[in-house]
Amino acid sequence: NAGVTQTPKFQVLKTGQSMTLQCAQDMNHEYMSWYRQDPGMGLRLIHYSVGAGITDQGEVPNGYNVSRSTTEDFPLRLLSAAPSQTSVYFCASSYGTGTYSPLHFGNGTRLTVT
Amino acid sequence: DAKTTQPNSMESNEEEPVHLPCNHSTISGTDYIHWYRQLPSQGPEYVIHGLTSNVNNRMASLAIAEDRKSSTLILHRATLRDAAVYYCIVTGNQFYFGTGTSLTVIP
Repeated sequence: NAGVTQTPKFQVLKTGQSMTLQCAQDMNHEYMSWYRQDPGMGLRLIHYSVGAGITDQGEVPNGYNVSRSTTEDFPLRLLSAAPSQTSVYFCASSYGTGTYSPLHFGNGTRLTVT
Repeated sequence: DAKTTQPNSMESNEEEPVHLPCNHSTISGTDYIHWYRQLPSQGPEYVIHGLTSNVNNRMASLAIAEDRKSSTLILHRATLRDAAVYYCIVTGNQFYFGTGTSLTVIP
C-alpha cells in the first residue's frame, strides 16, 4: 500500500521555467490538497479538490494551477517559476469530501527556484 | 474556518506526560479538531482527531473541553522520538494549519 506518492523529491528550476509536481494516491480518497511550507513556517494551503473534476483555491493559490481528471492524481503546475516559490511542497489526501477523516501526507517535494 | 492558538514552544522531560494546549474559541458545532505532528525533515503525520468526546488511540489522547473552545493533546509518556512540531487544526471545510507548538523532549 503506497499511500500518497509525490514526485520528484527534489527539483531546481530557473526563474520563468514551468514544471508539474506529481501527486498520486492509491487509497481511493476523494479529498486531495497541496500545501507549501517555507523554512521555519507552518503549512499553507494552495489548492484542494473534493473529487474528480472539482478543484478550488486555498490560502495561497497565485502562481499555481491544478486539475483533477482522476480520483488518484492531483498534479500541481507552476507556469512560470519565481524565487518566492522556493519551498517544500506537500500533497495530502483524505477519505470522503469533508474533514471528518484524517489527512495522509506524501513525503514532500523540495523545490528551489534560482 | 476557526482560528487556533497554540504556544510557540514547550519542553518536557523524557518519560513524563505532556499536555499540549490549543484554544479555538470560534469553533462551530460541526467543526472537527485534528492534531498532526511533524518530525524534523519529514511530512506531517496524523495523531488524533475528535468532534465532541475525548478520544484515545495508541499515540495519544485528546481531551476536548465541554464548550469545545479548547482542547488538549496528551502524550502519556514523552520519548525523544516525540520531539516535533504539533499542529492543532479546527476544520470547517478545509484543513488550515497554523504554526504549531514545537515540543522539545529533554533526556
